[in-house]
Amino acid sequence: KAGVTQTPRYLIKTRGQQVTLSCSPISGHRSVSWYQQTPGQGLQFLFEYFSETQRNKGNFPGRFSGRQFSNSRSEMNVSTLELGDSALYLCASRVGFNEQFFGPGTRLTVL
Amino acid sequence: GQQVMQIPQYQHVQEGEDFTTYCNSSTTLSNIQWYKQRPGGHPVFLIQLVKSGEVKKQKRLTFQFGEAKKNSSLHITATQTTDVGTYFCAGCNNNNDMRFGAGTRLTVKP
Repeated sequence: KAGVTQTPRYLIKTRGQQVTLSCSPISGHRSVSWYQQTPGQGLQFLFEYFSETQRNKGNFPGRFSGRQFSNSRSEMNVSTLELGDSALYLCASRVGFNEQFFGPGTRLTVL
Repeated sequence: GQQVMQIPQYQHVQEGEDFTTYCNSSTTLSNIQWYKQRPGGHPVFLIQLVKSGEVKKQKRLTFQFGEAKKNSSLHITATQTTDVGTYFCAGCNNNNDMRFGAGTRLTVKP
């Protein structure tokens, strides 16, 4: 089985721009979660989608949004980028209460 | 909301020494999972604990889940340079909401 894939792997944007990140879960996994990782901040939970519905949301501003498609692929959008949004964005897929499988991440740099 | 605290934030040990990281949840968990992230990599699942007081071993790694299902620990015996990385705990509540601890970054001096 192919693992979780994320595109693009690296991205450079400037302040004020918006960005869309994509995540393809493992086949058969209907749950996709997104995390922001910055040095010293661990994994900050953004949101989780299940069957095209946002099931849970972390404490991030409304500039961060997401969606999930019928094939379970998910996208995350960040509008009006700020310097502090520079981070590694990880998505993970899972089945039920089981382990999460992480993708390689998208490294976003905001200049 | 559910919070998961993990200590220490950093741990530097000499190769051969033991290492322990601790995880505490503000609420009772249905299960707890542990992940390892190597430098430059992404988190990889290590183990899941479900039962109160459960203890599981993987070679030199020992995982414990507290009796109240609110705390957990990961202990590594006789660390090796291959153990380097950041160890995360992730607590899952009865609503299947998962929250990660801040992680413990382990460095090992040969």
